[in-house]
Amino acid sequence: TQLLEQSPQFLSIQEGENLTVYCNSSSVFSSLQWYRQEPGEGPVLLVTVVTGGEVKKLKRLTFQFGDARKDSSLHITAAQPGDTGLYLCAGALGSWGKLQFGAGTQVVVTP
Amino acid sequence: GAGVSQTPSNKVTEKGKYVELRCDPISGHTALYWYRQSLGQGPEFLIYFQGTGAADDSGLPNDRFFAVRPEGSVSTLKIQRTERGDSAVYLCASSRTPRGGGTDTQYFGPGTRLTVL
Repeated sequence: TQLLEQSPQFLSIQEGENLTVYCNSSSVFSSLQWYRQEPGEGPVLLVTVVTGGEVKKLKRLTFQFGDARKDSSLHITAAQPGDTGLYLCAGALGSWGKLQFGAGTQVVVTP
Repeated sequence: GAGVSQTPSNKVTEKGKYVELRCDPISGHTALYWYRQSLGQGPEFLIYFQGTGAADDSGLPNDRFFAVRPEGSVSTLKIQRTERGDSAVYLCASSRTPRGGGTDTQYFGPGTRLTVL
């Protein structure tokens, strides 16, 4: 059972289009992280958001943490084929920050 | 390289057998984590080591699963009497120091794909 619900599960778009991935939960997290995972590799951290309402930008990627620290979104502007991958959100819980991952959103960007 | 390494990359075994999966963390990282990732799912936490000791093993599914980190560096995940349901990718991650709030970066290895026939 995963505390974090990610939507959509799969997203296929053309190069140059925009996309948004959502991560929702009924739990409050001390922080939330977004990862990207390529086939045969482990997840790679993209960003950590800590403060409710926080917005972080990483080139064409914009990450937002909900005011109540229960949800987050990832927006990609002008997607490129190199953005293809499995995007995972993970919320930190407890005293040492145990990570709870969502099931992931598979993004495919075609030229 | 300087990243987290895991061996073997693939392991095929028969139901009922014993397997060991190895993780070499980044040098100097005191925290080490094991996760399991089933097809179509995100990683699921298994166990967290701070140094040599298991600080949180609440994710181990049952007593067939055990992990050690005797010298505070390399870790081995051991699975006894394997079952078909144990088939998954087993991921290891390490970080410098565990900080409250989960803001410390975990660096993941490529995983070991375990298949139980």
